[in-house]
Amino acid sequence: DTGVSQNPRHKITKRGQNVTFRCDPISEHNRLYWYRQTLGQGPEFLTYFQNEAQLEKSRLLSDRFSAERPKGSFSTLEIQRTEQGDSAMYLCAKGAQASGNTIYFGEGSWLTVV
Amino acid sequence: AQSVTQPDIHITVSEGASLELRCNYSYGATPYLFWYVQSPGQGLQLLLKYFSGDTLVQGIKGFEAEFKRSQSSFNLRKPSVHWSDAAEYFCAVGARSNDYKLSFGAGTTVTVRA
Repeated sequence: DTGVSQNPRHKITKRGQNVTFRCDPISEHNRLYWYRQTLGQGPEFLTYFQNEAQLEKSRLLSDRFSAERPKGSFSTLEIQRTEQGDSAMYLCAKGAQASGNTIYFGEGSWLTVV
Repeated sequence: AQSVTQPDIHITVSEGASLELRCNYSYGATPYLFWYVQSPGQGLQLLLKYFSGDTLVQGIKGFEAEFKRSQSSFNLRKPSVHWSDAAEYFCAVGARSNDYKLSFGAGTTVTVRA
């Protein structure tokens, strides 16, 4: 157990629908990251937060992607108007100086767009 | 920019034999290096990390890795492989200067034969 909970674990949606994924780092970690992983590839960085501040979002894949961390605890990743190319695993990770700056990942949320 | 190369896409090893997975990184400053393991459909589990100090680091499940600055490498080893080690292995590089945003290699799939 890495202390990062992601929901839902699996989501099947029709093209054009909006989806939202949630990430809950069980313990307080000031940094929270989102990654995307497609089949046969390593995870690809999307965005990250330092507490509630989103410090980088230039790597979000398009303006259909957005992320929030309203109170510096849980975070959500929303994809609007989904496309088949959005099918992937979306991974959340946490890190903090208090834990030696180790990056811990959740189990991921699988998205299938049909 | 930081990047990681894992030259071996797929490795097959007999149970009980030794295993070595290669990782080469590119980064201008002192890198922080990680190895993660991923079972099918699951998130990433941290095996070990290198931040500083002793260049030979021990991890979980009997794995170790050696940081060689002169070769820009961080190879993962295990003396005797168990069937449960069959998985995909990812090497990643990060840095304090960019808040530990990780860049991953494409991964190496390990198959263990009886």
